[in-house]
Amino acid sequence: DAGVIQSPRHEVTEMGQEVTLRCKPISGHNSLFWYRQTMMRGLELLIYFNNNVPIDDSGMPEDRFSAKMPNASFSTLKIQPSEPRDSAVYFCASKKRDSDYGYTFGSGTRLTVV
Amino acid sequence: DQQVKQNSPSLSVQEGRISILNCDYTNSMFDYFLWYKKYPAEGPTFLISISSIKDKNEDGRFTVFLNKSAKHLSLHIVPSQPGDSAVYFCAAVSNFGNEKLTFGTGTRLTIIP
Repeated sequence: DAGVIQSPRHEVTEMGQEVTLRCKPISGHNSLFWYRQTMMRGLELLIYFNNNVPIDDSGMPEDRFSAKMPNASFSTLKIQPSEPRDSAVYFCASKKRDSDYGYTFGSGTRLTVV
Repeated sequence: DQQVKQNSPSLSVQEGRISILNCDYTNSMFDYFLWYKKYPAEGPTFLISISSIKDKNEDGRFTVFLNKSAKHLSLHIVPSQPGDSAVYFCAAVSNFGNEKLTFGTGTRLTIIP
């Protein structure tokens, strides 16, 4: 089991550029979550999917953020245009729906917008 | 509005002693609580959890206590070991078909050899 795989591990981009973060959940897990970690707010849930369908995107900061899950093995989080305040570590996590709440997190993508 | 609060950003404890990490929550709908541990450059990993029908759950060196009336939970690690040095996140969820985990801001625990 390779775990939850995120790419890239690090991303440095200029303000105004489009950024795409990628996630491959664990096979058989049908819930997928995108979190953002900042010093001030800790881990914030941005959006989550069940069976590839977005269930709750109330944590998405604004229209510049969008997420897709075209199939059970892949999800993207896109920021367009990026701003310096988007700099954070973005985590993807997955779990089996109706299992316990032990989410499995990926190693994260550290995004720096300059 | 931070519904799960960890008011101590950092904590240092001597090896072999007890580490106590605290967490407070404001949402009375939360009924399941978890602790996650995070090492640098890694994602958080699940450590231990507790349901609101219990007031204590133990797993080896780790014990979580829940005080529902005070809306407070704590994680006890005894004895503390150098490998316990990490950031610990408290998380909570409302079990009404809702899978959203709400996390605190984390406490950085440093075990001093």
